[in-house]
Amino acid sequence: QVQLGESGGGVVQPGTSLTVSCAASGFTFSTYAMHWVRQAPGKGLEWVASISYDGSDKSYADSVKGRFTISRDNSENTLYLQMSSLRVEDTAVYYCARDREATMVRGVKLPLDIWGQGTMVTVSS
Amino acid sequence: DIVMTQSPDSLAVSLGERATINCKSSQSVLYSSNNKNYLAWYQQKPGQPPKLLIYWASTRESGVPDRFSGSGSGTDFTLTVSSLQAEDVAVYYCQQYYTTPYTFGQGTKLEIK
Repeated sequence: QVQLGESGGGVVQPGTSLTVSCAASGFTFSTYAMHWVRQAPGKGLEWVASISYDGSDKSYADSVKGRFTISRDNSENTLYLQMSSLRVEDTAVYYCARDREATMVRGVKLPLDIWGQGTMVTVSS
Repeated sequence: DIVMTQSPDSLAVSLGERATINCKSSQSVLYSSNNKNYLAWYQQKPGQPPKLLIYWASTRESGVPDRFSGSGSGTDFTLTVSSLQAEDVAVYYCQQYYTTPYTFGQGTKLEIK
C-alpha cells in the first residue's frame, strides 16, 4: 500500500547538522511533489519545505531558508531534508507528506493526502 | 504570508450532537480562474500524523465518514461534524494551499462533553 516512512531523527547540539530521510513505497514517487511539515512538542503544524516532482522547483519557510535543503532521489524513492545550523526552536517531529495528485507540472498547488509517522529531531545542549 | 485563524481553540460536544469549527484566512484563497478554494481540513489524533478530511473546502476525502462536511468560500470556512462520535476526538486543523508558504490554523481540540 501507499506508505511514507521517515528516519534519521535524533538528539543534536545547537549549531550542528542533521539529515532526515523519507522512504516512499506503493506509488510512483517520481510523479508527485513532496513536502516536509514539522510539529514542535505540544504545538501546531508548520510547513517547512516543498519540492516538485523532478526536484527542479523548491520552496522553503522563512524560518528555515538558508539553513535547510530539501532534495529527492527518484531512483531511490527517497526524500531528504538536510538541516544545518540547527537551533533549539527546530525541535519537532518532522513529517514528510505527499501531494494528493500526481501532477508532472510545476507550481500546481494541492492538499497533502499521505503522511509518514514522523521522526523526532531534538536540538539541545 | 496568509494567516489562518481557527475558532474556537477547543470545543466540547455531547455524543450525537453537532460540532462546528471555523477557519478564517487573512486573504482570499479562492482562485478565480478555476473557482476553487485552496482550503483543506485535517484531523490529528494523539501520536498520529494528520489525516486529510476535506479539500477544495468541501470535497470529502475517500473513506471519510459523511458526518464530516466542509463549507465556505473566499476567507471564511467551516468544518461540521453532524453527529459526534467518540472516535472523532482529535485536533482539527485548516490549511491553505493557495500559495507558499502553506499555512495552518492553530488547531481546534474537539472533545466529548
